[in-house]
Amino acid sequence: SYELTQPPSVSVSPGQTASITCSGDKLRDKYVCWYQQRPGQSPVLVIHEDTKRPSGIPERFSGSNSGNTATLTISGTQAMDEADYYCQVWDSSTVVFGGGTKLSVL
Amino acid sequence: QITLKESGPTLVKPTQTVTLTCTFSGFSLTTSGVAVGWIRQPPGKALEWLALIYWDDRRYSPSLRSRLTITKDTSKNQVVLTMTNMDPVDTATYYCTRSVTPAYGPDYFDSWGQGTLVTVSS
Repeated sequence: SYELTQPPSVSVSPGQTASITCSGDKLRDKYVCWYQQRPGQSPVLVIHEDTKRPSGIPERFSGSNSGNTATLTISGTQAMDEADYYCQVWDSSTVVFGGGTKLSVL
Repeated sequence: QITLKESGPTLVKPTQTVTLTCTFSGFSLTTSGVAVGWIRQPPGKALEWLALIYWDDRRYSPSLRSRLTITKDTSKNQVVLTMTNMDPVDTATYYCTRSVTPAYGPDYFDSWGQGTLVTVSS
């Protein structure tokens, strides 16, 4: 079965840029989604189809996908961005999630 | 406004079957490219996709396929997930989600319910 690998944790200072990676075999051949889950809340879609932001998601969130790695980038990170982030793809008509990355804004 | 809300038992015993209901509003399952799915999250762990139902199709997680059944009642705007032979490892928050199919890419989950915690214990 297909696997997505994310770092367990990433730290960033307020105002700086955070990068969260998601790795998988030939990931560039798939479209990647990213979900944000704040503590005690339901996940929220922040990026779909590698780079597209849903309505209402701040412009500081952006995505890219190249080679075997997709990246969620948060520019000018704010305290409210502290959350768990999950990448997700489709593989053989099934949904696959990464293990999640805890973003700490210190 | 799109809303989804999960309902069902909060506590089930091992080997029992659990039935979870998702009641949604703001969209219709008869619309092409729209689906409702279930995703769960054990305490402190990652998201795990379970099942998805469209107007004319349904899909299941390969690892749980034998234990899951997803059905819909479009007149009530409800989707029901049944999971058999529950085990303590199935303890998790179960989320109902809406999935949409974009013009070129694969589906994505754009709306989520608040989730319902199901604990499996004797």
